[in-house]
Amino acid sequence: DQQVKQNSPSLSVQEGRISILNCDYTNSMFDYFLWYKKYPAEGPTFLISISSIKDKNEDGRFTVFLNKSAKHLSLHIVPSQPGDSAVYFCAASEKSGSGNAGKLIFGQGTTLQVKP
Amino acid sequence: DAGVIQSPRHEVTEMGQEVTLRCKPISGHNSLFWYRQTMMRGLELLIYFNNNVPIDDSGMPEDRFSAKMPNASFSTLKIQPSEPRDSAVYFCASSLRLADTQYFGPGTRLTVL
Repeated sequence: DQQVKQNSPSLSVQEGRISILNCDYTNSMFDYFLWYKKYPAEGPTFLISISSIKDKNEDGRFTVFLNKSAKHLSLHIVPSQPGDSAVYFCAASEKSGSGNAGKLIFGQGTTLQVKP
Repeated sequence: DAGVIQSPRHEVTEMGQEVTLRCKPISGHNSLFWYRQTMMRGLELLIYFNNNVPIDDSGMPEDRFSAKMPNASFSTLKIQPSEPRDSAVYFCASSLRLADTQYFGPGTRLTVL
């Protein structure tokens, strides 16, 4: 029973173009969402997050969009760079104060390749 | 600033042996998490602590797995006895407070022969 799903195992884009990574969730109690980037032989690195009270959060080239009614979020990278090539994980957790606060549920990851 | 530190980075052992993985969280962080990553199950939370107290160990696969946090700067994950299916990458993460952003260590790659 996967509560967080990343249906695309891989994505390939050209340098300079937009990369869009998608994530779906099923648990309506989730209210905090994060994206992590992972290079081989390293731990996941926090990239960007969004709270359920927002529908968009932007940080430089990275923007996360949240559609609560569709239980869907996406990460946009513009413009994409070869150094962005990595595995991207979507993660979700319930709100602070709930019994599951802090418990991150991860998707399976999407491998992004940005070609020069 | 030092991030989350894990040791060893690689561990190869034989079935039946005891394995101990170590983690030093970021100084000042009050919450610590242990994860396991496998091809089949992805990244899954095993156990987490808040202020050195275990909060939820429902992700620990079997009684062969145990974790401790004797103080705010050190935690261990022990597998005894180890089995080949325990082979995975084990990550430790820490956060300032329980629901804050988690920062991961580099992981320990465990191979049980």
